[in-house]
Order: sequence, then structure tokens, then C-alpha cells
Amino acid sequence: DADVTQTPRNRITKTGKRIMLECSQTKGHDRMYWYRQDPGLGLRLIYYSFDVKDINKGEISDGYSVSRQAQAKFSLSLESAIPNQTALYFCATSDPTTGRADTQYFGPGTRLTVL
Amino acid sequence: GNSVTQMEGPVTLSEEAFLTINCTYTATGYPSLFWYVQYPGEGLQLLLKATKADDKGSNKGFEATYRKETTSFHLEKGSVQVSDSAVYFCALSSGGYQKVTFGTGTKLQVIP
Repeated sequence: DADVTQTPRNRITKTGKRIMLECSQTKGHDRMYWYRQDPGLGLRLIYYSFDVKDINKGEISDGYSVSRQAQAKFSLSLESAIPNQTALYFCATSDPTTGRADTQYFGPGTRLTVL
Repeated sequence: GNSVTQMEGPVTLSEEAFLTINCTYTATGYPSLFWYVQYPGEGLQLLLKATKADDKGSNKGFEATYRKETTSFHLEKGSVQVSDSAVYFCALSSGGYQKVTFGTGTKLQVIP
């Protein structure tokens, strides 16, 4: 099945460490997104990419960076992790070439804990 | 800017009860409206959508009608099951880049 996968699924790290979360998709979608989910705040957009050369900041990009290595891969990095970055992180994709351009397809999430 | 407001949870219902989760929105233009569902330990998945006023989205017994006059998109189901226990997110998409704005989510717990 075409899918969106995320690695790792769970990660515990310490303050100040650099960490990378990876997302891969076999859907062939050009658009990819990173969100974080916090209790009571819903999902907030960190970064999004409409193709390999088009990367944009979302509403909460401070402290994060991304890399779009290929159409299928979109990585999120925390350069120096801090405790308030403890959250559930989701990768998502969408396909602008169909009438379902605004429907997003989510990975299973990465639970990150920063001590 | 765009925003979505949905009722706070958790909502606890007995099996076969009627469900309503309220959702209202603020947006420029003519947004598309969505309900996503997140089952425990999983990512979000699209439950239903509506793209214009008076459209009704439906799936798995859930329904929601796009009401432009009241800027609402309330989710309903006539008879919930234990398997419907999940977190439900209302969302909208508008603008040229069609970015999605999510509500804060409503947790539903259905007890036997």
C-alpha cells in the first residue's frame, strides 16, 4: 500500500542535543508537511514543501529546520532540542494534481520527549 | 487569518447514543471543510469533507453539512459504537496554497 512512514516512532533525548525526524512516502505526492500536536492546541504547522526546491516556514518554525532530500523524503531537525519541543510530530502529504489537493495523508507520528 | 473552533472534550457517550460535535470557522473566501479522525496511536485520517455551501459530507455513518450562513460544520452520527472512540478534528483549507488549519480536537469516548 502507498503509505507515509515516520522514523523513529518514539525518541527520548536530552536538552541541547540535535535530533532528526524522518518522513518517507510512497504516494508520489509533491507536497509534504510537518506538524506538531500538543494537548489542547491541536495541530500546528512547522514547515511545508510543495516540491524539492520549494520549502516554506509554517506558523511555528523557530527552533526547527527541514530538508527535502527527494520527492519522497522530508526530514525535520531540531538543532538544539529544548523541553518545550516535547510533542507528537506528524508528517503529511497531499497531491495538487487531483481534485483532492487539499486532502492530507498523515504518517503515524513520532513521539518526542526532551528531558 | 483562518481559524477553527470546536467544542472541548472529552465527550463521553453510551453506545448507540446520538453524537454531535460542534465546529465553527473563520476564513476568507470559500474554504473547503473537513473532519479528520485520529484513533489511538495513529495519525489523522480524513473522515469526510465538503467543498461548498450546503454540501453534505458523509462517511461511516458520520455526516456534516457546510453551513455558510452560520460558518459551521457540525459532525453528527445517529448511533455511535465503541469503535468510534477517537479524537475528531475539524479543519479548513483555503487560499491559493490550500494550507489546512486544524481545530484543537475533541476526544470522544464511547462506553458499552
